[in-house]
Amino acid sequence: EDQVTQSPEALRLQEGESSSLNCSYTVSGLRGLFWYRQDPGKGPEFLFTLYSAGEEKEKERLKATLTKKESFLHITAPKPEDSATYLCAVLPNSGGYQKVTFGTGTKLQVIP
Amino acid sequence: EAGVAQSPRYKIIEKRQSVAFWCNPISGHATLYWYQQILGQGPKLLIQFQNNGVVDDSQLPKDRFSAERLKGVDSTLKIQPAKLEDSAVYLCASSTRTFTDTQYFGPGTRLTVL
Repeated sequence: EDQVTQSPEALRLQEGESSSLNCSYTVSGLRGLFWYRQDPGKGPEFLFTLYSAGEEKEKERLKATLTKKESFLHITAPKPEDSATYLCAVLPNSGGYQKVTFGTGTKLQVIP
Repeated sequence: EAGVAQSPRYKIIEKRQSVAFWCNPISGHATLYWYQQILGQGPKLLIQFQNNGVVDDSQLPKDRFSAERLKGVDSTLKIQPAKLEDSAVYLCASSTRTFTDTQYFGPGTRLTVL
């Protein structure tokens, strides 16, 4: 069974204090790994898709990286507006129809 | 470009009552998804439509949940009768074709079952 584990569950940072969020996964072959941001009372907002180990993608203060077992979302010099829950999801590549499995998310709070 | 629209935004019902949610995807998106997100958890896929056909509904509790996609555009998700454990946010998402395409989510409907 596909599993996605995100850590930590919650993270509190001072503005400007860089850190990383972790997403570890167990799938029988990875077709894609997705990162989303979810603000309270809203639906998830797409950030990145990663397809293969070694791949990196950046957007403003966020950089996502991928290895064969986990992905990291690095946040450089975060601002209060980066406060949100960050969700990771995986799409396996084991033939036939497959669906994404989401992790439970990391709730990030950035304090001014 | 208009995003995914959902209504209502909030709904409170008594257990054993019925409820329906509506979703209008982004124009031109062939694939539509319904997710259930329980507080503190990630979204769980309930059903996926491609155009007006069901691709996967393996995680849909079919004894009480039903969904349809009218003419391959709008969709409704119904719960009848509701249970306490159905309290959750119901998210609709759409994409151009498949899971590898970016999914765009609506704001969700927060359901409380008393």
